[in-house]
Amino acid sequence: SQQGEEDPQALSIQEGENATMNCSYKTSINNLQWYRQNSGRGLVHLILIRSNEREKHSGRLRVTLDTSKKSSSLLITASRAADTASYFCATTMNYGGATNKLIFGTGTLLAVQP
Amino acid sequence: NAGVTQTPKFQVLKTGQSMTLQCAQDMNHEYMSWYRQDPGMGLRLIHYSVGAGITDQGEVPNGYNVSRSTTEDFPLRLLSAAPSQTSVYFCASSRTANYGYTFGSGTRLTVV
Repeated sequence: SQQGEEDPQALSIQEGENATMNCSYKTSINNLQWYRQNSGRGLVHLILIRSNEREKHSGRLRVTLDTSKKSSSLLITASRAADTASYFCATTMNYGGATNKLIFGTGTLLAVQP
Repeated sequence: NAGVTQTPKFQVLKTGQSMTLQCAQDMNHEYMSWYRQDPGMGLRLIHYSVGAGITDQGEVPNGYNVSRSTTEDFPLRLLSAAPSQTSVYFCASSRTANYGYTFGSGTRLTVV
C-alpha cells in the first residue's frame, strides 16, 4: 500500500480563492515533499519540509507538517487558472535504507475555474 | 542544461517482447529512480539507485531490471512485456534524499 494519501481526491474552486490539500502518511518520515503535475506531463517539485520543521513558505505556497498526526497540508493562496493540476505528496521514511526511497501518495486533482 | 531525458516518449510492444527505457541526467545527481503511473494509483516506485553500481528494489519491481554503470544513466529493462505493464514511466533524479527530485517527461508504454 502507498505511504501517503491525499484528501480530497478532487477539488474545484474559483480563481482567487485559496486551495487546501491534505496528506496523511503511515510511518515516521525523514522529509515530506509536494509535487505538481500538469496533465500528461512530468512532475515538478514544489517544496520540501523536513521532519523537524513545522511550516514552510514558497511564494503563494504554504506547507505545514504535524508529525504527531502524521499529516501535512498544502495551501495555495489566491489561486489562478494556471494552478489547475494534480498535486502529490511524497515522503522519505526515517529508517535504514528507506530514507533513500521517495514514495508518493495518490494525489489531489485541483481545478481552478476562471 | 537538459535535466532528465527519457527516451523513447512513446512505445508499443507485443506481449513477450523485451525493451529498455533510457534515462539520462546531466546534473551529476547521485540518486535516480524509476516510477510507473497508472490512472488512480499515483506514482509507484519500481527501482532506485543511490549511486553508480548501487541499485535497490522499490514497491513494484517484478518484471523489471535496472543497472547503474555511470552516474548519468539509469536504464530500465522490461524482460518480457505483459499487458499489465502498460503505463506511463517516469525517471527522476536528485542530489540526495534531502533534495527535491527532477523528473523526466515520461515514456508512455502500451503492451498489446
